[in-house]
Amino acid sequence: DQQVKQNSPSLSVQEGRISILNCDYTNSMFDYFLWYKKYPAEGPTFLISISSIKDKNEDGRFTVFLNKSAKHLSLHIVPSQPGDSAVYFCAASGGYNKLIFGAGTRLAVHP
Amino acid sequence: EAGVAQSPRYKIIEKRQSVAFWCNPISGHATLYWYQQILGQGPKLLIQFQNNGVVDDSQLPKDRFSAERLKGVDSTLKIQPAKLEDSAVYLCASSWGQIPLLYEQYFGPGTRLTVT
Repeated sequence: DQQVKQNSPSLSVQEGRISILNCDYTNSMFDYFLWYKKYPAEGPTFLISISSIKDKNEDGRFTVFLNKSAKHLSLHIVPSQPGDSAVYFCAASGGYNKLIFGAGTRLAVHP
Repeated sequence: EAGVAQSPRYKIIEKRQSVAFWCNPISGHATLYWYQQILGQGPKLLIQFQNNGVVDDSQLPKDRFSAERLKGVDSTLKIQPAKLEDSAVYLCASSWGQIPLLYEQYFGPGTRLTVT
């Protein structure tokens, strides 16, 4: 069962515009959500996170929004840069439990 | 600080053969994770160690997969015998502690396994 879903396998955005990556989850016990970024031939690296007590967390060009009632979170990148081209994984956990990852969205930012 | 090291980076074997992967976590990190990432999917936790004890191995196919963490530092993951469906990237990660909310996981570059 897919507890964390990223329904868009890929996204193409022009440099300077906003990139919006979406993630849905089914387990209401999840209380912590993360985004990881992965370049080819490298391991995922932590990007930004949000706990369930918040609905927004911002870090520079990256903002994560959490809608608990809809069980939905999104990552906004503004402005998008070519170096942001990577695969983005959404992940979730509840308490002490392990991270559950989505399948990833491949973002391509073109000039 | 040095990151998580893994070797080999690539491995090609035939089905029914055995293979082993090695991971050296970030110095001082008590928690070590092995993930399996099949093409088109996200990483899936296979096993989690806290020091040299197993915390979670609920998704480890124990009939063919085994893992150990010697002296609470390095770890090896073994597959014996391998099946075609084991083709994946095997990622090792480490963190200071177990709780994701408190402790970031740092990933190694992974080992890409191809079983033919």
